[in-house]
Amino acid sequence: ETGVTQTPRHLVMGMTNKKSLKCEQHLGHNAMYWYKQSAKKPLELMFVYNFKEQTENNSVPSRFSPECPNSSHLFLHLHTLQPEDSALYLCASSRLDTSSGNTIYFGEGSWLTVV
Amino acid sequence: AQKITQTQPGMFVQEKEAVTLDCTYDTSDPSYGLFWYKQPSSGEMIFLIYQGSYDQQNATEGRYSLNFQKARKSANLVISASQLGDSAMYFCAMREENTGNQFYFGTGTSLTVIP
Repeated sequence: ETGVTQTPRHLVMGMTNKKSLKCEQHLGHNAMYWYKQSAKKPLELMFVYNFKEQTENNSVPSRFSPECPNSSHLFLHLHTLQPEDSALYLCASSRLDTSSGNTIYFGEGSWLTVV
Repeated sequence: AQKITQTQPGMFVQEKEAVTLDCTYDTSDPSYGLFWYKQPSSGEMIFLIYQGSYDQQNATEGRYSLNFQKARKSANLVISASQLGDSAMYFCAMREENTGNQFYFGTGTSLTVIP
């Protein structure tokens, strides 16, 4: 059983749809992340939230809109996506303190297909 | 420059044999952590093993061990007695204390265990 849960696991959406990915962590962590994993590409960090505050936005297009209402929940709102946005979206969490030993734990991922 | 380099896109190993997956890293931070993750076809990234830069001994977790060679900046993962269920993508990652929550991932190695 994973300490980070993501829903939905699979999502197919049209380019004009609005949908959201949800992530919840049960590990008592206070940093949460969204990563994108496309076929044959390395993991791309999209957003980082520390104590609900966004600290990183790696030039992500505005059609991706994150929301972090509290330390345990993270959303990724999707709007007018493109087919090239089809990918596996991974949520993760970690402790906030800067010890290099703090492990990042991932959810099972949400497979997104844009048609 | 790449922070994490995994030079083996694909590896094959006979069941019950040992296999080494290579990882080299680049950092000037004296304090850092090195991690290995396994990603089966289902998508979830599973944490396997951690090595701290100040750890004197190589980390071990069951059949996984990390061959840490600090001077060479390498952190190879050794899987002993390979099982069919070990077939997956394996990612090496690093976290630097100075950059806080930034985790750097390699491009991964696909391991196939042959019966």
